[in-house]
Amino acid sequence: AQSVTQPDIHITVSEGASLELRCNYSYGATPYLFWYVQSPGQGLQLLLKYFSGDTLVQGIKGFEAEFKRSQSSFNLRKPSVHWSDAAEYFCAVGNTGGGADGLTFGKGTHLIIQP
Amino acid sequence: GAGVSQSPSNKVTEKGKDVELRCDPISGHTALYWYRQSLGQGLEFLIYFQGNSAPDKSGLPSDRFSAERTGGSVSTLTIQRTQQEDSAVYLCASSLGRNSPLHFGNGTRLTVT
Repeated sequence: AQSVTQPDIHITVSEGASLELRCNYSYGATPYLFWYVQSPGQGLQLLLKYFSGDTLVQGIKGFEAEFKRSQSSFNLRKPSVHWSDAAEYFCAVGNTGGGADGLTFGKGTHLIIQP
Repeated sequence: GAGVSQSPSNKVTEKGKDVELRCDPISGHTALYWYRQSLGQGLEFLIYFQGNSAPDKSGLPSDRFSAERTGGSVSTLTIQRTQQEDSAVYLCASSLGRNSPLHFGNGTRLTVT
């Protein structure tokens, strides 16, 4: 069965500093990988996705993520965070077979931005 | 264009009562999902509709939970005889199909007192 691990429950960074949120997945074949962001009281918004091709993917709001097969990772990065980036971030993996249970979410990382 | 719409945004109910949560997906999206999000937890899959196929109900936690999707569009999640442990945010999402990105509504926050 596939699984997603986000090892950091909370991350605090200073405004303007760089950010990396970790995501590790477990899946036997090439996965589909997603990062979503959830602001308080809102649903989840897709930041970026990886299906195939270039392992460095660009997303919205200045985020990027790199797929590393050897490390089973899909870490999210941003060179300089803004106070508005404070939110909950979810990594998700889908399998090529599709279907609802093909999309598994991590438990999320809560990002706190300090002035 | 219009996104996924959920109503109500908040619902407070007494233990033992039935509740209905509504989801209006994005027009043209054939796939519709319900998830439950409890404090400090990730998203727990509940049920999945794809077109006219029989729904995947494998995530429903008990027989008190049911959902339907009428005309391949609007969906209603019903929780009968609510319990305090049902308190959570219920999120609906729709997509163009398998492994297409999900578009989420803002959720319904259910509180069972």
